[in-house]
Amino acid sequence: GDSVTQMEGPVTLSEEAFLTINCTYTATGYPSLFWYVQYPGEGLQLLLKATKADDKGSNKGFEATYRKETTSFHLEKGSVQVSDSAVYFCAPPKGKSTFGDGTTLTVKP
Amino acid sequence: GAGVSQSPSNKVTEKGKDVELRCDPISGHTALYWYRQSLGQGLEFLIYFQGNSAPDKSGLPSDRFSAERTGGSVSTLTIQRTQQEDSAVYLCASSLTGVTNEKLFFGSGTQLSVL
Repeated sequence: GDSVTQMEGPVTLSEEAFLTINCTYTATGYPSLFWYVQYPGEGLQLLLKATKADDKGSNKGFEATYRKETTSFHLEKGSVQVSDSAVYFCAPPKGKSTFGDGTTLTVKP
Repeated sequence: GAGVSQSPSNKVTEKGKDVELRCDPISGHTALYWYRQSLGQGLEFLIYFQGNSAPDKSGLPSDRFSAERTGGSVSTLTIQRTQQEDSAVYLCASSLTGVTNEKLFFGSGTQLSVL
């Protein structure tokens, strides 16, 4: 079945730094992946989805591109803001799947 | 309703007691999912409903866990004889049809604490 492995450990960055959160995805079918975000005190919400090779998903300055050679959908943002502080989860495209462990991002002014 | 609603938001219970967690999905969404988020862990899939049927119960961790959905709407997750390891946030999500690549809408979760 499909499974994801998300980078472990919290990430702390200064404002305007570059962000990468890694997620490796093993799929039995066509590769696509979702990134969900959980802001402090809020429920999970969809951030973006990337649906095929070389087709970037993007939203709010975040991007995720599928890299076939590593079967990964890394989440990236060129310049993070304090308001991006949240927990980020990668998830297979099927709802009946276990998500990644989540990566806590803290952005300091 | 406007979003997925879960109740209660917090539940403290004693070991051995039964608990019921409720999820009210977005109106018209046929697919409903339950997940468990233990401290420091990811979202563990528990069970999926398509309408009132649960074709996939593979994620339920033990026979103490059960769930039902009535009228294609509200779902209840029941944990019998609760144990301390059941302490977690239980999240519910719904989607329009349940097909692959479909966006999930999440509730705010129920924080369960078993003393």
